[in-house]
Amino acid sequence: EDQVTQSPEALRLQEGESSSLNCSYTVSGLRGLFWYRQDPGKGPEFLFTLYSAGEEKEKERLKATLTKKESFLHITAPKPEDSATYLCAVYTGTYKYIFGTGTRLKVLA
Amino acid sequence: GAGVSQSPSNKVTEKGKDVELRCDPISGHTALYWYRQSLGQGLEFLIYFQGNSAPDKSGLPSDRFSAERTGGSVSTLTIQRTQQEDSAVYLCASSLGITDTQYFGPGTRLTVL
Repeated sequence: EDQVTQSPEALRLQEGESSSLNCSYTVSGLRGLFWYRQDPGKGPEFLFTLYSAGEEKEKERLKATLTKKESFLHITAPKPEDSATYLCAVYTGTYKYIFGTGTRLKVLA
Repeated sequence: GAGVSQSPSNKVTEKGKDVELRCDPISGHTALYWYRQSLGQGLEFLIYFQGNSAPDKSGLPSDRFSAERTGGSVSTLTIQRTQQEDSAVYLCASSLGITDTQYFGPGTRLTVL
């Protein structure tokens, strides 16, 4: 069965303390891996799409990487405004997207 | 232009009543998705529309759930005979195609008493 697992469930960082969020997946065939940010009471907001192992994408303090088994979202020198839930999702070509349960990130000033 | 909109933003209903949730996608987006997000859970994929057609309805939790899309635009998710376990946030998203970036609406919070 296709599965997406995110870790840790929650993460507290001091402002400026870099860290990484993990998204591991077990799927029959990966057609794309997506990272989203979700603020409380809002819908997810798109961050990145990765299609093949070895691919990397960056945006401001965020960098996403992909291997054949997992993806990492690296956060460099985070700020309080980076506090949110970060979701990853995979698409396997079967009309369905499979989301992980997310990592709740809190960045303290 | 305008993003994805959903209505109502909040819905409180009594067990056994029917509810309709509406989604207005971004103009020109042919792909439309419905998800359910329960407290502390990830997004559960419900259904995908390409135009007015839904190739796979197997994500709908039960036969009490149905969805339609008309004119390649507005979509309605209907839940009949609501149960307390249906309480969740229902999210809609749209994209140009199924592998393109999905843009989410703000969601409808459904509470079944």
